[in-house]
Amino acid sequence: KQEVTQIPAALSVPEGENLVLNCSFTDSAIYNLQWFRQDPGKGLTSLLLIQSSQREQTSGRLNASLDKSSGRSTLYIAASQPGDSATYLCAVHAGGTSYGKLTFGQGTILTVHP
Amino acid sequence: KAGVTQTPRYLIKTRGQQVTLSCSPISGHRSVSWYQQTPGQGLQFLFEYFSETQRNKGNFPGRFSGRQFSNSRSEMNVSTLELGDSALYLCASSLSYRGARSYEQYFGPGTRLTVT
Repeated sequence: KQEVTQIPAALSVPEGENLVLNCSFTDSAIYNLQWFRQDPGKGLTSLLLIQSSQREQTSGRLNASLDKSSGRSTLYIAASQPGDSATYLCAVHAGGTSYGKLTFGQGTILTVHP
Repeated sequence: KAGVTQTPRYLIKTRGQQVTLSCSPISGHRSVSWYQQTPGQGLQFLFEYFSETQRNKGNFPGRFSGRQFSNSRSEMNVSTLELGDSALYLCASSLSYRGARSYEQYFGPGTRLTVT
């Protein structure tokens, strides 16, 4: 059974800092991995998707890496801003007959203070 | 292109009642997945529908059911509500084809269900 863990559970940083969020998964046989952002009481916004054959993806100040063999992914946020404050979730898709099923971590609550 | 929409956004029900939630996927998306989000359990997969057929199901009791219509819109139903069913219910849609970004999921804003 796939299990996804995110560390740290919460992170508070001053504006302008670069930071790294970690995600680990127990079964390396994944099809892809998605990083999401969730604002309080809202739905999920997809940030980045990494296919199992890829090592990293970049979007603006965000960079996500994937090391499938070790079961790890990191989300790097450069020059953090107060507007980045949210919960960040990673989710893995196992492919095959998993179809529309994602397995999520518990999330990292990020607070960026001015 | 319009995003995933969910109705209603908020709902208050009493124990023992039943409830139906609705989800309209992004135009052209044929797969709809449902998730339950609670503070204690996080995000848990309920089920997924594709072309009106349930393809995958999570570990939830039979009180949780769903269906999909020919236009890909989906509904989920919870019967005999319990206090523990209070949660944010999220649906997600995807193209669900074998391709570069297959199974990439787009989420709706959710329905907040409170059971009293």
